[in-house]
Amino acid sequence: GESVGLHLPTLSVQEGDNSIINCAYSNSASDYFIWYKQESGKGPQFIIDIRSNMDKRQGQRVTVLLNKTVKHLSLQIAATQPGDSAVYFCAEMSNDYKLSFGAGTTVTVRA
Amino acid sequence: SAVISQKPSRDICQRGTSLTIQCQVDSQVTMMFWYRQQPGQSLTLIATANQGSEATYESGFVIDKFPISRPNLTFSTLTVSNMSPEDSSIYLCSAQSGGETEAFFGQGTRLTVV
Repeated sequence: GESVGLHLPTLSVQEGDNSIINCAYSNSASDYFIWYKQESGKGPQFIIDIRSNMDKRQGQRVTVLLNKTVKHLSLQIAATQPGDSAVYFCAEMSNDYKLSFGAGTTVTVRA
Repeated sequence: SAVISQKPSRDICQRGTSLTIQCQVDSQVTMMFWYRQQPGQSLTLIATANQGSEATYESGFVIDKFPISRPNLTFSTLTVSNMSPEDSSIYLCSAQSGGETEAFFGQGTRLTVV
């Protein structure tokens, strides 16, 4: 099937700074794009989603941007905290609710 | 929201044997899925567990190797059959309700085949 990939495998961020995690996708037919956070030893946790007909959506300290022209998805985390250290995956959801995950970005927050 | 419990959380198995992983959801859900995740890698969908009918498998996964049951709306099992070291991985189940985009995941089962 189609794949969703991330630009960088790792990201090191100073505590308090903003983080930007990027993802490129290839399947323009996906209904939703979703960001997940996975901490060590745990399953992925839903962060935020964006419907394919939107270009921006904000949550608590997070913003997801969707650029359909260049098939690019990003997750912005404001005022990054130590608890934000994790692996972040972008995923696309088809109309049958199946998820196709990208490769993941490991975010490390420096104190 | 849904809380998902997976058992066992980890196991070390001999090659040639089979392991059944259980996934219990604390509420009725429409859809349940099984994923595999190699350590340090992304998640790959194995199959959709259909309640009352045979599971739907993704390319590269077959029922003989990964039989799946889903007897009701809160429970599913995945069996890894005739295991080899290449089956060493983390297996995760997820659940979500129809019309919802948020999928909930279990903590995973870390399987090591020796």
